[in-house]
Amino acid sequence: GENVEQHPSTLSVQEGDSAVIKCTYSDSASNYFPWYKQELGKRPQLIIDIRSNVGEKKDQRIAVTLNKTAKHFSLHITETQPEDSAVYFCAASKGNAGGTSYGKLTFGQGTILTVHP
Amino acid sequence: DTEVTQTPKHLVMGMTNKKSLKCEQHMGHRAMYWYKQKAKKPPELMFVYSYEKLSINESVPSRFSPECPNSSLLNLHLHALQPEDSALYLCASSQGISSTYTQYFGPGTRLTVL
Repeated sequence: GENVEQHPSTLSVQEGDSAVIKCTYSDSASNYFPWYKQELGKRPQLIIDIRSNVGEKKDQRIAVTLNKTAKHFSLHITETQPEDSAVYFCAASKGNAGGTSYGKLTFGQGTILTVHP
Repeated sequence: DTEVTQTPKHLVMGMTNKKSLKCEQHMGHRAMYWYKQKAKKPPELMFVYSYEKLSINESVPSRFSPECPNSSLLNLHLHALQPEDSALYLCASSQGISSTYTQYFGPGTRLTVL
């Protein structure tokens, strides 16, 4: 089955700095890579996702890059703010868009990001 | 409405109790999920429902019994739980069962088993 490794497990940055979290996956058939942010005591919330037909996707201060050859993808947060402090989970799965087969969403172990004011 | 709701928010139960967790979504999603999350760990998949039918059971003990009464509702019936079952139980939904559809999570039920 799929295995997703996520690094680092903790990340501490100063407000305004950039933060980068990296994930590697094992199944070359995986084609969907979401990132979830989970604040303390709250639900995981999707912040950005990427599919394997693109290499990079950006949404304001957040970007995700995907290297299919190396089987890794990364989350980049620029101009970090204290409210970015949370646990971030990457995940990987495989499936056909609109298909009827289920591909399990496999999560990384999470990164605790702390942004100091 | 783009939310998944869950009740109760908190639940404390003894090992001999029977209780139920409830999940509801009104996004017209046809796939619904139960996850278990321990502190500082990622969510672990328990069950997947597609079109109100159980599609996936990740070898979950029978003391957890899921039910999908209709396309908007998902229940998790609990009986004879163990203290190690204490965790955050998350419900999620997605447009379809293919995991390229985004999964939206509910706020979770914090379960404590005494």
